[in-house]
Amino acid sequence: SAVISQKPSRDICQRGTSLTIQCQVDSQVTMMFWYRQQPGQSLTLIATANQGSEATYESGFVIDKFPISRPNLTFSTLTVSNMSPEDSSIYLCSVELHGRVGETQYFGPGTRLLVL
Amino acid sequence: ELKVEQNPLFLSMQEGKNYTIYCNYSTTSDRLYWYRQDPGKSLESLFVLLSNGAVKQEGRLMASLDTKARLSTLHITAAVHDLSATYFCAVDTSYKYIFGTGTRLKVLA
Repeated sequence: SAVISQKPSRDICQRGTSLTIQCQVDSQVTMMFWYRQQPGQSLTLIATANQGSEATYESGFVIDKFPISRPNLTFSTLTVSNMSPEDSSIYLCSVELHGRVGETQYFGPGTRLLVL
Repeated sequence: ELKVEQNPLFLSMQEGKNYTIYCNYSTTSDRLYWYRQDPGKSLESLFVLLSNGAVKQEGRLMASLDTKARLSTLHITAAVHDLSATYFCAVDTSYKYIFGTGTRLKVLA
């Protein structure tokens, strides 16, 4: 199955700043997904990123706050802009592919963000 | 709006016991997935259920899907401490996954 990596693995940021999270996959995939998981909570889909088109955002998430790039079939970035403490979460990227248990979404290791 | 609910939210059980986690969802879907998340870690795929009546088993875990009842179950047989984790179900709707609330399982020695 594919290897999915994220950078950084964790960061502590000051409010009002921005952080860009990178997601790299070792095989070409059509769709990449970005999720947020707040402490002790479930996962919420932020947006779906297809190569060559604008990302599709879910209700409650906007491009100005979470701009996404998808320059090729193996890479995507998510920027968390103008951060506030409420943005403290784990941010996860995922890709859908056929892996060990079948065709499903497989997740990167996550980026743990703390905003002070 | 699609809702995916799991119960129980928290489960503390003795080693060697059996238990079932339930995942109910509110709209039609033929595809359901189970994941495991250890503290501080990402999600690990456990099962892919693609049709009504699907049953998958791995080790002490068995998952099933009843699309007519909009219900999936994750059955734990003879629990061991290593199964302690949070378990999520996720329903596939138009390539978007909607995750359940999660069940935090603690297996006591």
